[in-house]
Amino acid sequence: DSGVTQTPKHLITATGQRVTLRCSPRSGDLSVYWYQQSLDQGLQFLIQYYNGEERAKGNILERFSAQQFPDLHSELNLSSLELGDSALYFCASSVGRASSANVLTFGAGSRLTVL
Amino acid sequence: GDSVTQMEGPVTLSEEAFLTINCTYTATGYPSLFWYVQYPGEGLQLLLKATKADDKGSNKGFEATYRKETTSFHLEKGSVQVSDSAVYFCALKSRSNDYKLSFGAGTTVTVRA
Repeated sequence: DSGVTQTPKHLITATGQRVTLRCSPRSGDLSVYWYQQSLDQGLQFLIQYYNGEERAKGNILERFSAQQFPDLHSELNLSSLELGDSALYFCASSVGRASSANVLTFGAGSRLTVL
Repeated sequence: GDSVTQMEGPVTLSEEAFLTINCTYTATGYPSLFWYVQYPGEGLQLLLKATKADDKGSNKGFEATYRKETTSFHLEKGSVQVSDSAVYFCALKSRSNDYKLSFGAGTTVTVRA
């Protein structure tokens, strides 16, 4: 157990729907990161939050949004889902905001299937 | 921008064989380099890291040396076990990329008994 908790583990939904993925970071970690892992795109960085504030943005679609709450858990909202959004979504956390040696701890992932 | 290129798999080996997974990078400045491993059905785990040139990261019998002159960070293990079957990802972070962790495509390794 890495200490990063993601729910749900699996989710099956239909095109056009909206889902929310939840992440609780490791105790003491202030940064939360979201990554998408798909067969064709590999591991893509989506977004990072640090202590409630958006810190960095990657290849996140406009249909996707995220936030980090005062208790530091984070949610990734995916709307108007398309077949191509089917992927494994990972959350990771780290102690600091950003640094070269900052190590990320990953959760087990949420597998989203869009039918 | 920063990028990582790693050897494409899949790689299939017999137990006790020598494993090498090549990784090269492109980055401005001096990135930190990482190897992460993903076992079946699990999330990514940090395997080892190196933060400056000539550093050697090591863990669980795996080693990788940060080679600035060849911009490489190849992963090696002298004698693999069935339990080493996993997907291995090379990754980097640098100031020029705002310390975002950028991953290679991953290399699937299968070790047969």
